[in-house]
Amino acid sequence: AQTVTQSQPEMSVQEAETVTLSCTYDTSESDYYLFWYKQPPSRQMILVIRQEAYKQQNATENRFSVNFQKAAKSFSLKISDSQLGDAAMYFCAYRSAQKGTYKYIFGTGTRLKVLA
Amino acid sequence: NAGVTQTPKFRILKIGQSMTLQCTQDMNHNYMYWYRQDPGMGLKLIYYSVGAGITDKGEVPNGYNVSRSTTEDFPLRLELAAPSQTSVYFCASILGNNSPLHFGNGTRLTVT
Repeated sequence: AQTVTQSQPEMSVQEAETVTLSCTYDTSESDYYLFWYKQPPSRQMILVIRQEAYKQQNATENRFSVNFQKAAKSFSLKISDSQLGDAAMYFCAYRSAQKGTYKYIFGTGTRLKVLA
Repeated sequence: NAGVTQTPKFRILKIGQSMTLQCTQDMNHNYMYWYRQDPGMGLKLIYYSVGAGITDKGEVPNGYNVSRSTTEDFPLRLELAAPSQTSVYFCASILGNNSPLHFGNGTRLTVT
């Protein structure tokens, strides 16, 4: 069975600085998707970025980028120029690419605090 | 286009009571999911459905039941509420392989 591990329960970053959130996963599959979701205090789940395992190039969305290391099964999120609005829980998630149930497996989350 | 709609937003139940958490989506998604979110535990899959009439258990199904009589609706039933079911519940749906997961805004349930 696949697992997703986020080893940092909480992180802090100064406004305008850069922070990296860690995520590791375990799977025997070769084709899958990885995601980062943001959950602000409003409780809404917001997709931040996604990565297809077959793509070697790291995904980037504005100030958010990932460092995808397939062999190491590592998928970290880098937030550049941190803003107060980035404060939230961040969840890493895994999903198989095999046609079927499309179940997502989530990590336990990292709470990000942004200091003014 | 409302997306995934969950009701109610909040609910307090007494031990032993029952209730149904409603979830409906208007995107014609085949795949729907119920997750619970406990503090520090991430999201755990309770039940899921790959289409109308088809449901299956996830990681933590005990104490819950679901049905999927239409593509749009996927209600979650708690028959005998227990304090261990205090959590935030999320419904989500997806169209298919190369599409994003859409979440509802969650239901905060407290069982006392």
